Amino acid sequence: KQEVTQIPAALSVPEGENLVLNCSFTDSAIYNLQWFRQDPGKGLTSLLLIQSSQREQTSGRLNASLDKSSGRSTLYIAASQPGDSATYLCAVVETSGSRLTFGEGTQLTVNP
Amino acid sequence: DTGVSQDPRHKITKRGQNVTFRCDPISEHNRLYWYRQTLGQGPEFLTYFQNEAQLEKSRLLSDRFSAERPKGSFSTLEIQRTEQGDSAMYLCASSQSRDEQFFGPGTRLTVL
Repeated sequence: KQEVTQIPAALSVPEGENLVLNCSFTDSAIYNLQWFRQDPGKGLTSLLLIQSSQREQTSGRLNASLDKSSGRSTLYIAASQPGDSATYLCAVVETSGSRLTFGEGTQLTVNP
Repeated sequence: DTGVSQDPRHKITKRGQNVTFRCDPISEHNRLYWYRQTLGQGPEFLTYFQNEAQLEKSRLLSDRFSAERPKGSFSTLEIQRTEQGDSAMYLCASSQSRDEQFFGPGTRLTVL
């Protein structure tokens, strides 16, 4: 059974800092990996999608990397801003299926 | 493109009542997914449709739960004889085949 783990569970940083969120998964047979942002009481906003054949994807200040063989992904946020405060979730789709399997998220607080 | 929409956004019901939620996917997407999220956890997969066919159901989807997508467009999720443990955020997502999944704002269910 696929299990997704996110470390740390919570992170508090001062504005302007660069930061890295970590995601690991137990079964490397994945089709793709998505990073999401969730604001309190809201739905999920897709940030980045990495296909299993890709090593990284970039969008603005966000960069996500994927090392499928080691079962790891990182989300790098450059020059963090208070508006980046949210919970960040990673999720994988296995090669054998279509469902997303989620981690429990990292709750990020960026202090002004 | 108006994104994925869900209705209602909030539902409060008494234990034992039936409730029904609706999801309208992004119009050109052929896949529609239902997930459930409890406080502090990542979303968990419930079921998904490709067009009008329900292709996968999680063991989480007890016989009190039923989902339909009658014409391959919108979908409904019904919970019969609600229990307090059903209280959660119910999230709908859509995608074109196995591409990126886009989520709606969710329906928050509270069972008293």
